[in-house]
Amino acid sequence: DTAVSQTPKYLVTQMGNDKSIKCEQNLGHDTMYWYKQDSKKFLKIMFSYNNKELIINETVPNRFSPKSPDKAHLNLHINSLELGDSAVYFCASSRTSGNQETQYFGPGTRLLVL
Amino acid sequence: QKEVEQDPGPLSVPEGAIVSLNCTYSNSAFQYFMWYRQYSRKGPELLMYTYSSGNKEDGRFTAQVDKSSKYISLFIRDSQPSDSATYLCAMSALGFQKLVFGTGTRLLVSP
Repeated sequence: DTAVSQTPKYLVTQMGNDKSIKCEQNLGHDTMYWYKQDSKKFLKIMFSYNNKELIINETVPNRFSPKSPDKAHLNLHINSLELGDSAVYFCASSRTSGNQETQYFGPGTRLLVL
Repeated sequence: QKEVEQDPGPLSVPEGAIVSLNCTYSNSAFQYFMWYRQYSRKGPELLMYTYSSGNKEDGRFTAQVDKSSKYISLFIRDSQPSDSATYLCAMSALGFQKLVFGTGTRLLVSP
């Protein structure tokens, strides 16, 4: 029944590894987002996809590569993980009919790079 | 200077108090203003949404926007321990699609 789900919830890995985070929404939305929340709780948008097309890319290192296989899924692959990548990553989704649609957030994936 | 400034707190109040949470911003293009609540280890959830200036009330929550001062507020009446959470303001020039968040204010309501 979860509207926006993310896997895994926790991810602990070594520097230099490659990892993926998956996101799925069952709300029928056509826009999905990835946000990064740092240790000071600052939430910043990274990417946005609308109907599988990239529409927002906010100066994110190219080690981060989002992939949207369909409207209900948006995955995030991270290459060559660095210590500074440690954060909570939130997926969100919304409809894009006009500008009045709420973004629904997933529970977050807590990434710790050692 | 960040586009959106918000006092991180924590703000500690007794149960039943009126809480005032605030954000200031610098981008005059912002038209859409939101407040999200985030419980510990959870994702943010939308509490209030306001377009342009004015007030909006929903139960114990009132959102105010003063575009001339670039200042928004969230008031919580009769605060409850269950209101203890981090409150994030967010705003956008393009509706919900590209939100810029404040750093969040941590609120603690003691019984």
